[in-house]
Amino acid sequence: NAGVTQTPKFRVLKTGQSMTLLCAQDMNHEYMYWYRQDPGMGLRLIHYSVGEGTTAKGEVPDGYNVSRLKKQNFLLGLESAAPSQTSVYFCASSYPRVEQFFGPGTRLTVL
Amino acid sequence: ELKVEQNPLFLSMQEGKNYTIYCNYSTTSDRLYWYRQDPGKSLESLFVLLSNGAVKQEGRLMASLDTKARLSTLHITAAVHDLSATYFCAVDALLTGGGNKLTFGTGTQLKVEL
Repeated sequence: NAGVTQTPKFRVLKTGQSMTLLCAQDMNHEYMYWYRQDPGMGLRLIHYSVGEGTTAKGEVPDGYNVSRLKKQNFLLGLESAAPSQTSVYFCASSYPRVEQFFGPGTRLTVL
Repeated sequence: ELKVEQNPLFLSMQEGKNYTIYCNYSTTSDRLYWYRQDPGKSLESLFVLLSNGAVKQEGRLMASLDTKARLSTLHITAAVHDLSATYFCAVDALLTGGGNKLTFGTGTQLKVEL
């Protein structure tokens, strides 16, 4: 099993550009999450999904959109990137109320 | 709002020494997780603590949970260089729309000197 995979691993954007980060999991998990990690701040939840076709906002959702059209995939979109969105993005998946399994991360720089 | 505080934030220790990392949280929760992160890598699950008084051990690491005190500890016994990493605690909370959210501490960066 590949577990949780993320595409791309690295990306550099200019302010105002858009992009989509892809997360895929092969563990048949119901729940999927997007976090961002910034120095000294731990991980913060951006959006999450409790099942195919459902999404909800986390604690820092502004500037991001998500979609979960298939159970195994969770997409994170940036419509108009800003320098404040420079971060490392982690996707995670889980069954309900058990440990979350994390992907390898995407390092995004917005110039 | 749930707050999770870890201390210390940085820990430099010599091989063979013992030390404890503390994780305090502000609201009731019966589930807490410890993760390890190596530089530039993802988070690896270390322990899942599901109830008051839970204690888990793996090698030189032992984690415990006191839900009444809202405190978890990660104890390191006879540290070795390979334990150098950043350790995060994360407290589980139910989300109103379903699902559960992890609120992470800021992490403890551990460096074990040879």
